[in-house]
Amino acid sequence: GDSVTQMEGPVTLSEEAFLTINCTYTATGYPSLFWYVQYPGEGLQLLLKATKADDKGSNKGFEATYRKETTSFHLEKGSVQVSDSAVYFCALSPRNQFYFGTGTSLTVIP
Amino acid sequence: DGGITQSPKYLFRKEGQNVTLSCEQNLNHDAMYWYRQDPGQGLRLIYYSQIVNDFQKGDIAEGYSVSREKKESFPLTVTSAQKNPTAFYLCASSERAQETQYFGPGTRLLVL
Repeated sequence: GDSVTQMEGPVTLSEEAFLTINCTYTATGYPSLFWYVQYPGEGLQLLLKATKADDKGSNKGFEATYRKETTSFHLEKGSVQVSDSAVYFCALSPRNQFYFGTGTSLTVIP
Repeated sequence: DGGITQSPKYLFRKEGQNVTLSCEQNLNHDAMYWYRQDPGQGLRLIYYSQIVNDFQKGDIAEGYSVSREKKESFPLTVTSAQKNPTAFYLCASSERAQETQYFGPGTRLLVL
């Protein structure tokens, strides 16, 4: 069945470090792929998305590239800030339903 | 401003009581969703609706009920049959099924 697997957390980084959060998926067809971010006590916010192979989604310095050959959509940021501390969810939408990963908690320390 | 509102922010339920969580959107979206989030876990789909007067069960519908009488509203009732209701509940909407989902701020349900 369709599913998303993302990197286990928690992840702790120093400010200005490079971030990678791995996400791989299993799906038939050509799903859209998403990254959402959740700050403490809040709902999820769309961070970026990609709708077809080789698309790169980007927002607020975060990037992810839709890699069909490796079924991956890894999230990257070149220099994290304390304000990036949150939980990050990878998701895919192959048909009429979304499938979310379990989330990766990121803490950035000054 | 367009968006999704959920109320209340915190809700307390007594044993044997039904409670209803509100979700309203003014984005003119056709599809709406309810998710449950437990600490340190991902989102689990409770119910979804692709159009007014129609809805489908998600992965964990037992103990919950919904209605979709208006396009902008999708209330969730947590019934007394739900034995472990303590969780963070998130409502979302999308223009159509499979499109990008937008989330409300959530309701935290606690059992007294």
